[in-house]
Amino acid sequence: DTAVSQTPKYLVTQMGNDKSIKCEQNLGHDTMYWYKQDSKKFLKIMFSYNNKELIINETVPNRFSPKSPDKAHLNLHINSLELGDSAVYFCASSQDVGRGELFFGEGSRLTVL
Amino acid sequence: GIQVEQSPPDLILQEGANSTLRCNFSDSVNNLQWFHQNPWGQLINLFYIPSGTKQNGRLSATTVATERYSLLYISSSQTTDSGVYFCAVDPLYSGAGSYQLTFGKGTKLSVIP
Repeated sequence: DTAVSQTPKYLVTQMGNDKSIKCEQNLGHDTMYWYKQDSKKFLKIMFSYNNKELIINETVPNRFSPKSPDKAHLNLHINSLELGDSAVYFCASSQDVGRGELFFGEGSRLTVL
Repeated sequence: GIQVEQSPPDLILQEGANSTLRCNFSDSVNNLQWFHQNPWGQLINLFYIPSGTKQNGRLSATTVATERYSLLYISSSQTTDSGVYFCAVDPLYSGAGSYQLTFGKGTKLSVIP
């Protein structure tokens, strides 16, 4: 069973569209994250949720809106997509804030045309 | 914020060779992890090692927290070891209630047969 799963794995869309990426973890972790990996492979945190509550919100355009319906799920919705949003988005989870290993999903490659 | 520097940025090895990857960080840390991103883009946990030494098969890691560095050793390298190796740290003073792994830029390893 996949511990952290994301869907879809690939997403190709036009500028201006709205898209969502879903993430689920079955590890029983309390904390989930979204990371963005750019074309130079640099990984940067975007959001962090602990028990459905937002605890980290890095400098991310407000076109990006995370939603956590429960502690096992953290979805990412992106409005009005721009070319610069093209990247690989990784979901991750850890046992608790500041504790335990970070486990990543397989990534979702978003291409904006 | 904390600075994480990995060296070398690129490494080419003949299959069977040994190598050492280094991660320097600029401030005290709670946690340190090593990840391998394989050529398919998956981020795989290698070690969760805020201090001390751990071994897992042909790989081992050592973190000397007081001197702010960590080393990843790969022995008898195989072509499947190719990919990018990331070090990530959680600063000791990342703020109340936050857990923010900061990634280095990675070491790209190519193992040739």
